[in-house]
Amino acid sequence: GAGVSQSPSNKVTEKGKDVELRCDPISGHTALYWYRQSLGQGLEFLIYFQGNSAPDKSGLPSDRFSAERTGGSVSTLTIQRTQQEDSAVYLCASSSLPGDTQYFGPGTRLTVL
Amino acid sequence: DAKTTQPTSMDCAEGRAANLPCNHSTISGNEYVYWYRQIHSQGPQYIIHGLKNNETNEMASLIITEDRKSSTLILPHATLRDSAVYYCIVRINDMRFGAGTRLTVKP
Repeated sequence: GAGVSQSPSNKVTEKGKDVELRCDPISGHTALYWYRQSLGQGLEFLIYFQGNSAPDKSGLPSDRFSAERTGGSVSTLTIQRTQQEDSAVYLCASSSLPGDTQYFGPGTRLTVL
Repeated sequence: DAKTTQPTSMDCAEGRAANLPCNHSTISGNEYVYWYRQIHSQGPQYIIHGLKNNETNEMASLIITEDRKSSTLILPHATLRDSAVYYCIVRINDMRFGAGTRLTVKP
């Protein structure tokens, strides 16, 4: 079936604006993860959803960042009052069960001017 | 923080075996060792994983020491397209990636 998809593929916004990034995981995958990667840097964990459990938000860098996962499927990562340092590629991944192989989406490249 | 330590970078000659080490001295008994790689700005790609035994698939081999405190990913005949950042991850639920090893395969 289809892999993990993310939209938009690119987003350019002005400082101070809010943005929403979407992730469609592989159907049936119970675990969903968000990461971000700044230019030339490694992957930075943001948040993790597993089934109906409370999400692990320990990686969110500030309270401007939030994420939801509705119906155990699609997830939206929201960044409020964007700052230039938020510019990065935001990657979503899903796995069938926690600890199983993660499958990554193509990412959303966010540029904050 | 990631539970693994990897060299920052490595070079390998095209056609030769690339051996990428990873230390995971705090690994617990039920944690798997996973390897992913990331080429340019693409999302990371799964390569292989193992628990205790050595594993092999069409992409690579994974050698895990008997005490499980370290492992080596082996690309038997590296090609230029294998140049990437390679991440070693120890996890059940820990999702944190380290900085990985940047492998450069040279002609």
